[in-house]
Order: sequence, then C-alpha cells, then structure tokens
Amino acid sequence: GQQVMQIPQYQHVQEGEDFTTYCNSSTTLSNIQWYKQRPGGHPVFLIQLVKSGEVKKQKRLTFQFGEAKKNSSLHITATQTTDVGTYFCAGPDGGSQGNLIFGKGTKLSVKP
Amino acid sequence: GAGVSQSPRYKVAKRGQDVALRCDPISGHVSLFWYQQALGQGPEFLTYFQNEAQLDKSGLPSDRFFAERPEGSVSTLKIQRTQQEDSAVYLCASSSEVAGGGETQYFGPGTRLLVL
Repeated sequence: GQQVMQIPQYQHVQEGEDFTTYCNSSTTLSNIQWYKQRPGGHPVFLIQLVKSGEVKKQKRLTFQFGEAKKNSSLHITATQTTDVGTYFCAGPDGGSQGNLIFGKGTKLSVKP
Repeated sequence: GAGVSQSPRYKVAKRGQDVALRCDPISGHVSLFWYQQALGQGPEFLTYFQNEAQLDKSGLPSDRFFAERPEGSVSTLKIQRTQQEDSAVYLCASSSEVAGGGETQYFGPGTRLLVL
C-alpha cells in the first residue's frame, strides 16, 4: 500500500545549527502537509504544499515539494530550543476519502 | 474559537474492559477523523465521518473498535474488550471541508489509553 517515509528518525543538534528532514512517498501526491508535535502534545498543522517544485517559507522554516510530487523537505535555519519536537509529513491516502498517511516523523532535539 | 477537544485525556483500563473516547470537533466542521498513534510512531488512520455518515472505516484494526457520530458533531470511539496492544494515543481531527485529500486537519489533544 501507499507509504510515506521520513529520514532521519532522530536528529540532535546544537542550538544555532541547521536541521533538515526528508520525506518520500511511494506514490505521487496531490499535496503534502507538514505537522509539528511537541513532546506530550498533538500534531499542529504547519503548512501545505500543492504545486510541483513549490517552496514556502515561514520565518526560519523552509518547505520544499519535489518536482515529481513524491518527496518533500523541511529545513530549519539556526535552530532554537523552541523548535524541539517531532516533525511529520503527511500525504492524502489516494485510495480513501482523504485521510492522511503520516510518516513516522523526525524527532528533533536541540542542545542549548 | 475553541479547538478540537477530547475526553478523557487519560484512561487506564484493565484488559477486557470496554472504553469510550469522546471527541468534540470544531463547531461546524463537516469532516471528522480518528487516528491511533503508538509511541514513537506517526498517527495512523482509523475512520472518517462526513457529518453523521461514516464513509471510511478501513483503518479500524478489529471488530472490537466501533465509532459513531450520530448527530454530525460529537463523535465517540468505543473499544470493546480492550487488549494491551490497544494502548496508544487516540487522536481526533476535524476539518471544515469535505475530505478530498487537500484540507487542513485540526487535531485534538488526544486520549492516552493504557491497557493493563
């Protein structure tokens, strides 16, 4: 079945370093969404990418959607301790009514 | 306005007990989703409602799992004869649009279920 894979599973960085997580889908996606889940919290929507090759920025966060619409990345510049959490990418399940298939997430820890 | 709320936030059940988990979506939201999130994993889809109609229950792991949304607002996920492998966080999400794969889903805080 359709799969969404994320790497790395864990990333430990020093505060101020950059961070990137990569997302790959087994199928072409109509869109991809990114969520952040703080420790003990619930997924919070960050952004949605729809167009092939799309790049969106939110302050220090840069999101890219691949040309083939099968991969995506999230890059954080100069990480801060507030960036700690697990970042999930999610794509719509093409075989259903629109539920999301989530990757397993990349857990980011930031050392001050 | 208020976000998605879920209750209880934590539930400890003895193996074999039945549990009921409640979700109050954002008012007026048409679509409601239930997900199960195991420790260290991403959320996994359980079931989807459009108003009161359960249009997709393909993710429910067994016939012990049952969900309803009788009036198209509040939803209840019921697990009968709980097993230890049911221990997880159960997340509810709602959306203002009919699910088609492009809409933003707003998640509730989840119910953390522990089956002993």
